[in-house]
Amino acid sequence: KAGVTQTPRYLIKTRGQQVTLSCSPISGHRSVSWYQQTPGQGLQFLFEYFSETQRNKGNFPGRFSGRQFSNSRSEMNVSTLELGDSALYLCASTQNSGRNEQFFGPGTRLTVL
Amino acid sequence: QKEVEQDPGPLSVPEGAIVSLNCTYSNSAFQYFMWYRQYSRKGPELLMYTYSSGNKEDGRFTAQVDKSSKYISLFIRDSQPSDSATYLCASRTGANNLFFGTGTRLTVIP
Repeated sequence: KAGVTQTPRYLIKTRGQQVTLSCSPISGHRSVSWYQQTPGQGLQFLFEYFSETQRNKGNFPGRFSGRQFSNSRSEMNVSTLELGDSALYLCASTQNSGRNEQFFGPGTRLTVL
Repeated sequence: QKEVEQDPGPLSVPEGAIVSLNCTYSNSAFQYFMWYRQYSRKGPELLMYTYSSGNKEDGRFTAQVDKSSKYISLFIRDSQPSDSATYLCASRTGANNLFFGTGTRLTVIP
């Protein structure tokens, strides 16, 4: 079974721009969660989508948004980029049965200049 | 105060040593406790998964959860150079959003 895929793997943007990151979950998984990882704050939860609906949201400003499509693929968008948005953005796919284990993708490394 | 606190290390041990990694948490509603391993330039991979208090063993790895003291531990026996990675503890309630520690970077020296 293929794992979680994220595209692109690396991205360089400048302040004020916007960016869209993509995540394809494991086949059959309907829940996708997004996390931001930085050296100072570690991994922080952004939001979770299940069946195209945002089910849970972390403590991030409205510049961070996401959506999920009917095939469970998800995108997250960051508008008006700030230097502090430079981070590794990780997507996690959850089976939503049994232990609800989360399987992470390799991440998208975003650098904001 | 972060929901999950973890000693950031770094930690450097000789091959074959026993490694002890620790976290504390503040939210009494946490029911599920996990340890993830993250290699450089990779996403975290689930190592151990524990529900409520108790011990769980898987090969050279043992996870312990003490809910009375809100303490989470991971022990690695007979550590190998391939264990060199960043180890992240994580907890959650019934919802899927995980609260992570900041990670401990471990280096096992051959």
